[in-house]
Amino acid sequence: AQSVTQLDSQVPVFEEAPVELRCNYSSSVSVYLFWYVQYPNQGLQLLLKYLSGSTLVESINGFEAEFNKSQTSFHLRKPSVHISDTAEYFCAVSDPRGGKLIFGQGTELSVKP
Amino acid sequence: DGGITQSPKYLFRKEGQNVTLSCEQNLNHDAMYWYRQDPGQGLRLIYYSQIVNDFQKGDIAEGYSVSREKKESFPLTVTSAQKNPTAFYLCASSVGDYNEQFFGPGTRLTVL
Repeated sequence: AQSVTQLDSQVPVFEEAPVELRCNYSSSVSVYLFWYVQYPNQGLQLLLKYLSGSTLVESINGFEAEFNKSQTSFHLRKPSVHISDTAEYFCAVSDPRGGKLIFGQGTELSVKP
Repeated sequence: DGGITQSPKYLFRKEGQNVTLSCEQNLNHDAMYWYRQDPGQGLRLIYYSQIVNDFQKGDIAEGYSVSREKKESFPLTVTSAQKNPTAFYLCASSVGDYNEQFFGPGTRLTVL
């Protein structure tokens, strides 16, 4: 069975510092990988995705994630965070056969001035 | 604008009452999903439907029911059998093989 582990439940960081949110997955088949962001009392928004091709994927607001097949990881990074990046971030893996997304438990990113 | 709507945003009910949460999408997506979110527990799948008139139980289906009579609609009923229904409920839809899901704004249900 597929599973997703987000290694940190909370990540506090100061504004303009770099951040990495870690995500590991387990799967015996090819997967598709996603990062979603959730602001308080809102639904989830897609941040970026890996489907195939280049292992480094980027979002429009400066986040990037790298698919590492040998380490079964899909860590999310940003070189310089803003207060507005404060949110909960979810990593997810898709099982093409199962018609579902498997979500990690979420990482709460808190950016402090 | 295409998207997913959930109504209402906040819902209050007395214990023992059934309540139905609405989810509508105009994205022409085939698949729709219901999740429950509790603090510190991530998203848990309640039910999902990959085609009209068909749906499958997710990980925590007990105490919930759904219907999928139309492609654009996937209402969720929280029954009195659900032991702890107070939570944030999210609806999503997807199309294609990648299962990229698009989420609605959520409904916060509080049972008093």
